[in-house]
Amino acid sequence: DQQVKQNSPSLSVQEGRISILNCDYTNSMFDYFLWYKKYPAEGPTFLISISSIKDKNEDGRFTVFLNKSAKHLSLHIVPSQPGDSAVYFCAASGQGQNFVFGPGTRLSVLP
Amino acid sequence: NAGVTQTPKFQVLKTGQSMTLQCAQDMNHEYMSWYRQDPGMGLRLIHYSVGAGITDQGEVPNGYNVSRSTTEDFPLRLLSAAPSQTSVYFCASSYSGTPNYEQYFGPGTRLTVT
Repeated sequence: DQQVKQNSPSLSVQEGRISILNCDYTNSMFDYFLWYKKYPAEGPTFLISISSIKDKNEDGRFTVFLNKSAKHLSLHIVPSQPGDSAVYFCAASGQGQNFVFGPGTRLSVLP
Repeated sequence: NAGVTQTPKFQVLKTGQSMTLQCAQDMNHEYMSWYRQDPGMGLRLIHYSVGAGITDQGEVPNGYNVSRSTTEDFPLRLLSAAPSQTSVYFCASSYSGTPNYEQYFGPGTRLTVT
């Protein structure tokens, strides 16, 4: 059973609008979360992280929200740009450096 | 810095053949890991290492061996390739310990086993 779930395999958004990517986890021991972005034929690149002691972390156009009670996090991209079109992976870790990755959500930003 | 490099980029093997996927990093990272990416499965951890001479199993270690004789290199060996090992393989590295958990990934090796 997947410990990290991204229930939307794909998402399409108009350029300039907000993109919201969701991630749910089942393991209550997870205390650190990352988002990675992946373009075709490239390795994933780190985007943003959040620790369980926070409920929000912001970096430019990217904001991650964490709801520990619901075991849910989301990545907001505002405004969305065509270059944001990629696969986004959510990853979670607890008391160690090994991460469990979700299956990914493919974001398409339409011009 | 070249970052994390992987060779080869593509490989086709026949069932039963063995091969080694190479991974190297020039960032002096203690932690290195191997993942495989399969459709709908995300990235799954195969093996990892927290430093030279130290390796451990991840989520899906069967059929793979690793060694870490230097800080820079972390090769992944397929002992007897099977069609189920057809996948894209990523190597990653990072510093150990908090707060910096960011992993740097290589470009991947696409492996097909026939």
